[in-house]
Amino acid sequence: EPEVTQTPSHQVTQMGQEVILRCVPISNHLYFYWYRQILGQKVEFLVSFYNNEISEKSEIFDDQFSVERPDGSNFTLKIRSTKLEDSAMYFCASSVVAAYNEQFFGPGTRLTVL
Amino acid sequence: ELKVEQNPLFLSMQEGKNYTIYCNYSTTSDRLYWYRQDPGKSLESLFVLLSNGAVKQEGRLMASLDTKARLSTLHITAAVHDLSATYFCAVGGGGADGLTFGKGTHLIIQP
Repeated sequence: EPEVTQTPSHQVTQMGQEVILRCVPISNHLYFYWYRQILGQKVEFLVSFYNNEISEKSEIFDDQFSVERPDGSNFTLKIRSTKLEDSAMYFCASSVVAAYNEQFFGPGTRLTVL
Repeated sequence: ELKVEQNPLFLSMQEGKNYTIYCNYSTTSDRLYWYRQDPGKSLESLFVLLSNGAVKQEGRLMASLDTKARLSTLHITAAVHDLSATYFCAVGGGGADGLTFGKGTHLIIQP
């Protein structure tokens, strides 16, 4: 069964460093998303991406964040200068049909900022 | 601002019992999603409810949606230990809309 994959599973970085989180959405999906979940808290929407551009973004997704689809399969989230409060689980999701919008989530990348 | 509230946030119950998790949301939406999350794992899609009065069932779980009351319920019938997990409801629109999640209901089912 097709699934969303994410790499790495765990990333440890120093405050102020740049990180890139990678995702491979399900191959025939058209809509891509990033969410984050701080430990023990709810899942929060960051950004959605469709047709090679950002479709919607939340207040969390400030100038420190960017997304890119560098090729036909990968979808990346970049955090330019990490802060301690960026420590969280980051989930990538994808969906295929606009009306239905059932989003399938990847296994997540745990980001730890020291 | 869309708000999604779940209750209870924590539920401990015994096997064989029935219980209901409630999900209220603050603004009009015709798409309601239920996800399950096991500790340290990702979110697994359980149900997508797209219209008023929608009811879906999978095994011991049944979800319903009342868009007029802005309420969805997740009913657990004759609970078994394997259903122990955190259950999230989420609300969203179509297209590339992001989902707004509730805080989750941490469910523990004891033998």
